[in-house]
Amino acid sequence: NAGVTQTPKFRVLKTGQSMTLLCAQDMNHEYMYWYRQDPGMGLRLIHYSVGEGTTAKGEVPDGYNVSRLKKQNFLLGLESAAPSQTSVYFCASSRHPLLTGGGEQYFGPGTRLTVT
Amino acid sequence: EDKVVQSPLSLVVHEGDTVTLNCSYEVTNFRSLLWYKQEKKAPTFLFMLTSSGIEKKSGRLSSILDKKELFSILNITATQTGDSAIYLCAVVAAGTASKLTFGTGTRLQVTL
Repeated sequence: NAGVTQTPKFRVLKTGQSMTLLCAQDMNHEYMYWYRQDPGMGLRLIHYSVGEGTTAKGEVPDGYNVSRLKKQNFLLGLESAAPSQTSVYFCASSRHPLLTGGGEQYFGPGTRLTVT
Repeated sequence: EDKVVQSPLSLVVHEGDTVTLNCSYEVTNFRSLLWYKQEKKAPTFLFMLTSSGIEKKSGRLSSILDKKELFSILNITATQTGDSAIYLCAVVAAGTASKLTFGTGTRLQVTL
């Protein structure tokens, strides 16, 4: 039971390049989330999904796209990377919706992305 | 705008000390408050609190919520070096889209 896994662990991109971060969970959770964590700021929600085939914008969605084609996977895409997207990205999942216990989330180990 | 403020920003204590971490919040339509521990990588869930005055306890860690004064505390007794981590507080609020807002965390270092 691996929980939540993320690939890759580290990546360096040049400005303008694109990439996809993969998140996978084996807990059969409906709800999945992508966050970024920057120094001096709390975790901020980028996009989230309430089930297979559904996605929604979070607090800081600009410059990112997501897809949830399979229940266990949630992909985060950067189409044209910018230095402001240098951050640590965390994926998380929860069994319940936010309002009824979904604050209890299981996080992946993170991806450290540097955009030069 | 929803706000979650944690204090202190960082703290250094000796092993065996007791520490209290604070989390205050200003959100519309509060639903629950959560505490997470973040060591080197992924945050891990500690507690979820929804009702005032009811202490949640797990080993040496405990937490309580005051919905009237809009804050929560996380206590750690008999600290150990393994307690060294960043402790994150987060609040769930209801709305058009439910929100989970994180504070910036308290960095705790426990020394021998």
